[in-house]
Amino acid sequence: KQEVTQIPAALSVPEGENLVLNCSFTDSAIYNLQWFRQDPGKGLTSLLLIQSSQREQTSGRLNASLDKSSGRSTLYIAASQPGDSATYLCAVIRSNAGNNRKLIWGLGTSLAVNP
Amino acid sequence: EAGVAQSPRYKIIEKRQSVAFWCNPISGHATLYWYQQILGQGPKLLIQFQNNGVVDDSQLPKDRFSAERLKGVDSTLKIQPAKLEDSAVYLCASSFLAGGPTDTQYFGPGTRLTVL
Repeated sequence: KQEVTQIPAALSVPEGENLVLNCSFTDSAIYNLQWFRQDPGKGLTSLLLIQSSQREQTSGRLNASLDKSSGRSTLYIAASQPGDSATYLCAVIRSNAGNNRKLIWGLGTSLAVNP
Repeated sequence: EAGVAQSPRYKIIEKRQSVAFWCNPISGHATLYWYQQILGQGPKLLIQFQNNGVVDDSQLPKDRFSAERLKGVDSTLKIQPAKLEDSAVYLCASSFLAGGPTDTQYFGPGTRLTVL
C-alpha cells in the first residue's frame, strides 16, 4: 500500500530564505508526482507535476525534484515571500487498471513566511 | 478559462439532516472527482466520474452518501443523514482526461461543511 509522508509538518521562516519541503513515498512504482498549494479556505492549486521519467521540474522560484529509487521528492522555494505562506501538499499518482490515475496524498507542510 | 465552480461555499447543519453540494467542472473536462478533506489531512477521493459513468466509488460511504452526474457535466453530492464526522471540506476537481501523462486535476474552492 502506497503511503506518502511529508516533513516537516509545519515550517516558519523569515522572508528571503531559501527552503526545502520533503515528500517521501513507500512504493517506487509511481506514474507521476505532483505538488499542490492550498490557501486557507480555498481549493488546491497545482504547482508542479513531475513525470516518473523526469528528475525535476521548475516554475519561477519553485523547483521540484524526484528520486524514484529512494522514494523521495523535494520542493525547493527560492527567496521566500510572505505570499508563499500556505499548505503545500505532495501527491503521488498511481496508475490503476484501465489506465485510470489515482492520487495518494501526503498530509502537507504548513508554511509561514514572516515579513 | 473559468475554473471549477462549487456551491455553497459554507454549510452548517445539524446531525441527521440532509445536505447537497453542487459542482460545475471546467468546460470540456470529461473527468470529475469529489474529495473529502478533514482538517489536517490530505484529500480523500470519494467518487470519480468519467463523463456520466462512475469509475471509482470504493471509498464512498454508500449508506449515506450519493453522487450523480446525469448529463456528464455538472454533479451533485448528497449526504443523508449527516453525522458529526462528516464535518470537512468537500472538494470537486475536474480533468480533461483521466489517463494523459500530464493530465492534471483542477480544483474548486470547496464547500466547508459543519455538522453540529
